[in-house]
Amino acid sequence: KAGVTQTPRYLIKTRGQQVTLSCSPISGHRSVSWYQQTPGQGLQFLFEYFSETQRNKGNFPGRFSGRQFSNSRSEMNVSTLELGDSALYLCASSFEGARGNTIYFGEGSWLTVV
Amino acid sequence: AQTVTQSQPEMSVQEAETVTLSCTYDTSESDYYLFWYKQPPSRQMILVIRQEAYKQQNATENRFSVNFQKAAKSFSLKISDSQLGDAAMYFCAYRTRGSGGGADGLTFGKGTHLIIQP
Repeated sequence: KAGVTQTPRYLIKTRGQQVTLSCSPISGHRSVSWYQQTPGQGLQFLFEYFSETQRNKGNFPGRFSGRQFSNSRSEMNVSTLELGDSALYLCASSFEGARGNTIYFGEGSWLTVV
Repeated sequence: AQTVTQSQPEMSVQEAETVTLSCTYDTSESDYYLFWYKQPPSRQMILVIRQEAYKQQNATENRFSVNFQKAAKSFSLKISDSQLGDAAMYFCAYRTRGSGGGADGLTFGKGTHLIIQP
């Protein structure tokens, strides 16, 4: 059974550009959530999607957005990139979105903003 | 807002020995889940163990066990017979268990860097 797959794994963008990251959850998982990991702020929750609907959102500016497709795949977008957006972005999926269900993470997408 | 605190930025242990990583959390909820995740240099987060707050029995997974003290809001991880492959960052995480939808996402601690000395 394939795990959570994130693409691209590494990317470099210029300040002011936008970026889209993709996540394919484990087959059968309907909940997909996104996290940002930086040395300074640690791991922070961005948002969670379940059945194509955003169920909850962390404390991030509106430049961070996401969506989920009917096949549960998810994308997150960051517009007008800032240097501080450089981070590891982790996607996670879980079965049926129940809060206690095990949450599985992908390997992450490394974003560098220059 | 819930917070998770890991007071040990780094821990070192000899191979085959036992080590305990500390975690405390603050919440006004009565029903929730607690997790320990391991993040090796590859940076992939791997679930080590989970605990449901309504269960009094401490969770165990092979060499990994927890000491869950709900009243003290403490959730420590014990690793027995430490192995070189256990070297990693360990994160304690919290998630509420509410009714209906609207999951809150995981709240993570800052992590503990575990070093295994051969």
